[in-house]
Formats: sequence, structure tokens, C-alpha cells
Amino acid sequence: NAGVMQNPRHLVRRRGQEARLRCSPMKGHSHVYWYRQLPEEGLKFMVYLQKENIIDESGMPKERFSAEFPKEGPSILRIQQVVRGDSAAYFCASSPPAGGGNEQFFGPGTRLTVL
Amino acid sequence: DQQVKQNSPSLSVQEGRISILNCDYTNSMFDYFLWYKKYPAEGPTFLISISSIKDKNEDGRFTVFLNKSAKHLSLHIVPSQPGDSAVYFCAASDPQRTGANSKLTFGKGITLSVRP
Repeated sequence: NAGVMQNPRHLVRRRGQEARLRCSPMKGHSHVYWYRQLPEEGLKFMVYLQKENIIDESGMPKERFSAEFPKEGPSILRIQQVVRGDSAAYFCASSPPAGGGNEQFFGPGTRLTVL
Repeated sequence: DQQVKQNSPSLSVQEGRISILNCDYTNSMFDYFLWYKKYPAEGPTFLISISSIKDKNEDGRFTVFLNKSAKHLSLHIVPSQPGDSAVYFCAASDPQRTGANSKLTFGKGITLSVRP
């Protein structure tokens, strides 16, 4: 049973370009979460999605950032017009449908570097 | 506003001894707590969790204790092994907010070093 998959693992962009980060949840998991980790910091929640629905986007910056989890395919975190402050590790997590605990299982992360 | 606090940034223990990692929280709505372990350049790995209706949960060498009145939890690792050296994150969730699945609020992490 494959774990959470993220790609690319490393992404380099110049200021003003777009970054697209992909996440495939674990098999059987229908909930996806995106977190960002800045250097020397803990993980900060960004957005929580189910298939075709955004459940909680309270941690998402209001501008330039968007997320989707289409009916088919991976979840995508999109950052438009990247700035140096967007450089961070972005982690995706997934969890099974409600009924169990709230354990979330994380992917290996995408390390975004903005030049 | 740091709702989950791990005030000690690092901890060093001798192999075979007990490691005690502490975590405090301020939000009384949190009712589910988790510990994650993270190696460099990898994603966090789930270790152990505890619901607020319990005060202890044990899984092998790992035990988590929860003191709701003090808003404090701790992770005990015994005996500690060199392979336990990693960053440990405490996390909390408030399932009432968006249902049984909800966002996790993380502390900043504690770097554990286990000396051979």
C-alpha cells in the first residue's frame, strides 16, 4: 500500500513564476491537507480538501495561493507569481474517511526554492 | 499566537535511558493529540496519539501522557535508541471545528539526540 506521494520533491522557480505541487493521497483516503514548514519552524496548516470540495482554507494566504482536489487525479497546490518568502517545504497529508482518529499521514514533501 | 508549545528546542540522552519530550497547549478546544517524528528531508511520521478522554496511551517503547487540567502532554521513549534521534513534533486537533477530520496545529519541534 503506497504512502502519500508528492512531486516534484524539489522545485526551483524564479520570482514571478508559477509553482505547481502535486499530492496523491494514500489508497482509500479521501481527505487531503497541505502544510508549509519554514526553516526552524513547525508545520503550519494551509488547506483541507475532500474530493472537489475545500473544507477549510483558513491557513491559506488570500492571494496567489490556490488548491484543488479534483474528482480524478492528484491534489494540486498552486502558487502564482512566487516570491522569495514562498521558499519552504510543503507537505501534503491524507487521512481516511471520518470515523477513526485524526491521524494524518504525510508525504515526503516538496522543497520549493525561489531564486 | 502559538497554541501548541514545545519550549525545549533540543534534548540529549544516553542510549538505554528514558527520553521525555514535553508539550503544552493553550486551546481548551483541542481534544486529540499526536506525536510525529521527522528525519531531515523527509515527511513527518506518525508515532502515537491520545484522545482527551484518556490520560495515557502506550505503544511499545512509546508512551504519551495527557494532563488536561494542566494542558500538558509528554512523550516518553524507553529505552532510547540512537535511531530515535530526530525532530519530534507535538500536534493537536479540534475535531469539533470541521468534523472528525480537521487541521493539525503543530509545535515547533524538539530535536532529540540519543548518544551511543
